[in-house]
Amino acid sequence: QKEVEQNSGPLSVPEGAIASLNCTYSDRGSQSFFWYRQYSGKSPELIMSIYSNGDKEDGRFTAQLNKASQYVSLLIRDSQPSDSATYLCAVNMPMDSNYQLIWGAGTKLIIKP
Amino acid sequence: ETGVTQTPRHLVMGMTNKKSLKCEQHLGHNAMYWYKQSAKKPLELMFVYNFKEQTENNSVPSRFSPECPNSSHLFLHLHTLQPEDSALYLCASSQDPAYGYTFGSGTRLTVV
Repeated sequence: QKEVEQNSGPLSVPEGAIASLNCTYSDRGSQSFFWYRQYSGKSPELIMSIYSNGDKEDGRFTAQLNKASQYVSLLIRDSQPSDSATYLCAVNMPMDSNYQLIWGAGTKLIIKP
Repeated sequence: ETGVTQTPRHLVMGMTNKKSLKCEQHLGHNAMYWYKQSAKKPLELMFVYNFKEQTENNSVPSRFSPECPNSSHLFLHLHTLQPEDSALYLCASSQDPAYGYTFGSGTRLTVV
């Protein structure tokens, strides 16, 4: 069974603190890893992608990938109320002779002013 | 226009109605997707089209019928739906899935 697991939350973080979101996946052969942000009533928006072990930084966002432990995380520094949203983890997993994007159910993040 | 455009944004239909959802992408991508998003559940892949050929049908009931006349347009024809089909229907496109998808704004469907 191809699965991506996320804690549904809500995760409540004070403004200015670091928000840490985690995701685990089932297939060791997985390649590409993505974090999408989805505001209430809106569609998902790609915010980070990561392809190799280690950290990838983009502004206040850092994605971390550990293939040996099969987890990927997203850190948001200096959290702002505008970061309040649901964060979806998606993983490209091998499926037959191709790859398919498998989605987590999302973690709801609330940044408290 | 840029990106992925979906219409209508909201749709309320009876169980005996026939309606269609439309998606158009202006990104020059080769692949287009239909997803269903229900509350607190992962995105469910419904259909995949590559170069306007259907490459995946994820065991979707026949009351959902996709159509892809060209690489830029994708339709989802709906008929005799059930209340449990009420959800957010999202269209997405990609040039290479390894680099992620671009989503449209979605259609919020309510079946009464």
